Amino acid sequence: DTEVTQTPKHLVMGMTNKKSLKCEQHMGHRAMYWYKQKAKKPPELMFVYSYEKLSINESVPSRFSPECPNSSLLNLHLHALQPEDSALYLCASRPPDNSPLHFGNGTRLTVT
Amino acid sequence: LAKTTQPISMDSYEGQEVNITCSHNNIATNDYITWYQQFPSQGPRFIIQGYKTKVTNEVASLFIPADRKSSTLSLPRVSLSDTAVYYCLVVSQVGYQKVTFGTGTKLQVIP
Repeated sequence: DTEVTQTPKHLVMGMTNKKSLKCEQHMGHRAMYWYKQKAKKPPELMFVYSYEKLSINESVPSRFSPECPNSSLLNLHLHALQPEDSALYLCASRPPDNSPLHFGNGTRLTVT
Repeated sequence: LAKTTQPISMDSYEGQEVNITCSHNNIATNDYITWYQQFPSQGPRFIIQGYKTKVTNEVASLFIPADRKSSTLSLPRVSLSDTAVYYCLVVSQVGYQKVTFGTGTKLQVIP
């Protein structure tokens, strides 16, 4: 079990669908991160939210749209994805001190 | 952003001590060294973090020399369940900056 909860665990979507990934943490962390991980590769940073504001966007295509409605919740809205976007999408949160990131167990996304 | 370099893979027999070294030549003053473990289809799990010298917890030790340009994760008496990918990260403690992963080390524990 992790303190960062990601839903759904698995998602299959077509290239014309719109779907959303959800990430929740109730540890009072004020920074939240989205990563994408392809098979046998390290996680790649996509976005960072700091105090509910987008602070880092790693030149991610606009078909990925992040949203942070409040300090506990992070969404990733998906639209018109490509098969190569199939991956494990990981969310993480970080407290304001020197503590490390806490990761969820990810959403396994398959784009057909 | 400090880049990290680790061996791509390592094999070890059960019960042995395993040392995984990470190179981070351009580490900055405000950076900490953090190690994560990741099993397939799971999120990375924090193992240990340190700034200098030696840090030990219930699962691992972390050795950092005075120049901080490298670090070594030591796993005592590994078991089959320690088979995983281990990532060394250099993380700034100033604000909420990027946290990027290197290639990681795939540790295979052999019975």
